[in-house]
Amino acid sequence: EAQVTQNPRYLITVTGKKLTVTCSQNMNHEYMSWYRQDPGLGLRQIYYSMNVEVTDKGDVPEGYKVSRKEKRNFPLILESPSPNQTSLYFCASSLRGGPESSYNEQFFGPGTRLTVL
Amino acid sequence: GENVEQHPSTLSVQEGDSAVIKCTYSDSASNYFPWYKQELGKGPQLIIDIRSNVGEKKDQRIAVTLNKTAKHFSLHITETQPEDSAVYFCAASIVQGGSEKLVFGKGTKLTVNP
Repeated sequence: EAQVTQNPRYLITVTGKKLTVTCSQNMNHEYMSWYRQDPGLGLRQIYYSMNVEVTDKGDVPEGYKVSRKEKRNFPLILESPSPNQTSLYFCASSLRGGPESSYNEQFFGPGTRLTVL
Repeated sequence: GENVEQHPSTLSVQEGDSAVIKCTYSDSASNYFPWYKQELGKGPQLIIDIRSNVGEKKDQRIAVTLNKTAKHFSLHITETQPEDSAVYFCAASIVQGGSEKLVFGKGTKLTVNP
C-alpha cells in the first residue's frame, strides 16, 4: 500500500530534550515536506526537500532541522524543543516538486501530536 | 509572498444541502489549486484539484471553480452527507527558489447535520 508513515504518532516531552520524528514514504517520491498545524493558522511549511541531500527552509524553520540521506526518509529533528513547538506535525511527499512538475499531489502522513512541557 | 485567504472558517449545513467554500490568492503566477479534506485524527487527503487552464472541474458531488482574473477559486459540495463533515483546506502553488510549493488556507470546518 502506497503511504507516508510517521513515528511516533504521539509524544510528550520536556523542554530541551532532543527528539526526532521520523517520516518514510514508499512511493519513490522525490519531494518531501514537513508542516505544522496549529488552530487558526492552518498548515505551515517547516522544511522541504527536493531530493536526496537537497533541503531548504519553509515558512517556519526556526528550531527545527531535517536531513535527507535516503530518498524514502525525511526525519524532523528538534534539537532543543520549547513549548511553542507544541503542535500537530505532518510529513508529506509528492512525485516531484520542481517548477516543471506536472503532478503535484501531496500525500500526507497521519500526523504526530507533540506536546512540549 | 503568496497569501491564501479561505472563508468561512466554520460552516454548518443540513444533510442534503449544498456547501460552498471560497478561497482567494495573491500570486498571479499560481497555476495549481488543490483542495484537501482532513478527517478527525487523520492527515489531509486530496479530494479535487484544478489547474489554471481549466475553469471548472467536477467529480460526482464535488466541483471546483476557478476565476484567474479575480484570483479566486471555490469548492462546491452538493447533496451533503454526514461523512462530508471534516476540515477542508484550499491551497495554491507558487514557484519559489526553483521549487514549487503549496501555500494553504487556514481551513474550513464543515459540519453536516443529519
